[in-house]
Amino acid sequence: GAVVSQHPSWVICKSGTSVKIECRSLDFQATTMFWYRQFPKQSLMLMATSNEGSKATYEQGVEKDKFLINHASLTLSTLTVTSAHPEDSSFYICSASWGASGTDTQYFGPGTRLTVL
Amino acid sequence: SQKIEQNSEALNIQEGKTATLTCNYTNYSPAYLQWYRQDPGRGPVFLLLIRENEKEKRKERLKVTFDTTLKQSLFHITASQPADSATYLCALVSGTYKYIFGTGTRLKVLA
Repeated sequence: GAVVSQHPSWVICKSGTSVKIECRSLDFQATTMFWYRQFPKQSLMLMATSNEGSKATYEQGVEKDKFLINHASLTLSTLTVTSAHPEDSSFYICSASWGASGTDTQYFGPGTRLTVL
Repeated sequence: SQKIEQNSEALNIQEGKTATLTCNYTNYSPAYLQWYRQDPGRGPVFLLLIRENEKEKRKERLKVTFDTTLKQSLFHITASQPADSATYLCALVSGTYKYIFGTGTRLKVLA
């Protein structure tokens, strides 16, 4: 149980284009979903937290107009990287929790490798 | 400033021995702490959770201790196997929903 999927697993795009990453909880309803970014040999850095049906809460330093998050249902959240640039190249990982506060265990997706040329 | 440190970026250990990984933190009062395993190019996989009022937690060959006085958690893998080779992350949950991750320790178990 508690399986989270991400799609796509990797994507290569040209600079200036937008890329959408999907995160799905397959066997549970995720009240809260989280988006992280991980650079090589670094830890996961929380970008934003989203609760179903409400606006995402972004961490300091994360541009909300650049990283659009939509949590339209209890099983799906999307992250759209708008006008992507090479410095946005990273490993993006989502996680999902069924707790309202998110303090319950988070279950992570397999990640999406984004490369911006 | 708030800080989480995991000892040694990399740790090599002989098969069959016990691997001990350390997670130290400053300026946090975590409600609980979790340990995750991450393989290259994959998302973290949850292993164990330990709460602030618990001293020790076990799961099969894994053991976690939590010392809030020392502000330290130790993660042990007994009878280590090459398949245990991975990066292990500790994560603190403090106050609200935020998970604060350490940078991880890359464990390599040598056959």
